[in-house]
Amino acid sequence: SQTIHQWPATLVQPVGSPLSLECTVEGTSNPNLYWYRQAAGRGLQLLFYSVGIGQISSEVPQNLSASRPQDRQFILSSKKLLLSDSGFYLCAWSLTGGAFFGQGTRLTVV
Amino acid sequence: AQSVTQPDIHITVSEGASLELRCNYSYGATPYLFWYVQSPGQGLQLLLKYFSGDTLVQGIKGFEAEFKRSQSSFNLRKPSVHWSDAAEYFCAVGAVASGSARQLTFGSGTQLTVLP
Repeated sequence: SQTIHQWPATLVQPVGSPLSLECTVEGTSNPNLYWYRQAAGRGLQLLFYSVGIGQISSEVPQNLSASRPQDRQFILSSKKLLLSDSGFYLCAWSLTGGAFFGQGTRLTVV
Repeated sequence: AQSVTQPDIHITVSEGASLELRCNYSYGATPYLFWYVQSPGQGLQLLLKYFSGDTLVQGIKGFEAEFKRSQSSFNLRKPSVHWSDAAEYFCAVGAVASGSARQLTFGSGTQLTVLP
């Protein structure tokens, strides 16, 4: 069966520091991969999606970037975090029929 | 553009009572419809999905949902709520062509509190 791993679960980073969140999927090949951000009481916002290695599409302009160095690995990064980057970040994968989510990373920028 | 409305921000029910969470969508074609559940600090878990066929869909944990095209609704129901059902519930609509997460639009969620 397919599983998705996302880490770390929580992260506290100072403003201006770099960020790297990692997500890996097991049990499937060539999945579509996604990064979402969830703000309190505001639902989910799609940040990036990828349909293959090295193929990244951004849904909204922001201080973050994403990379897909391997088929089942998706990384969310920032060179310099802003206070407004705080939130709950969720990685997801899909082939057809909906999305399956990781456990999320709670990022607090202080 | 597609959209999802969950009119109830917060619902409180007693354990053992029945539950219905409302979801209304706007979409120009036949949609894919989903319900997800999120426990505090956790990711989203897929409860059930509707693509086509029988409009009453059974999901995990005893949940079901009914697709009503005439009302543009996909309400989630459970006959008897358990304390462990306390969580936030999200409805989502997606394009029928792919069902990919890129095309999913989520509602803003309904927080469910279960009283003992």
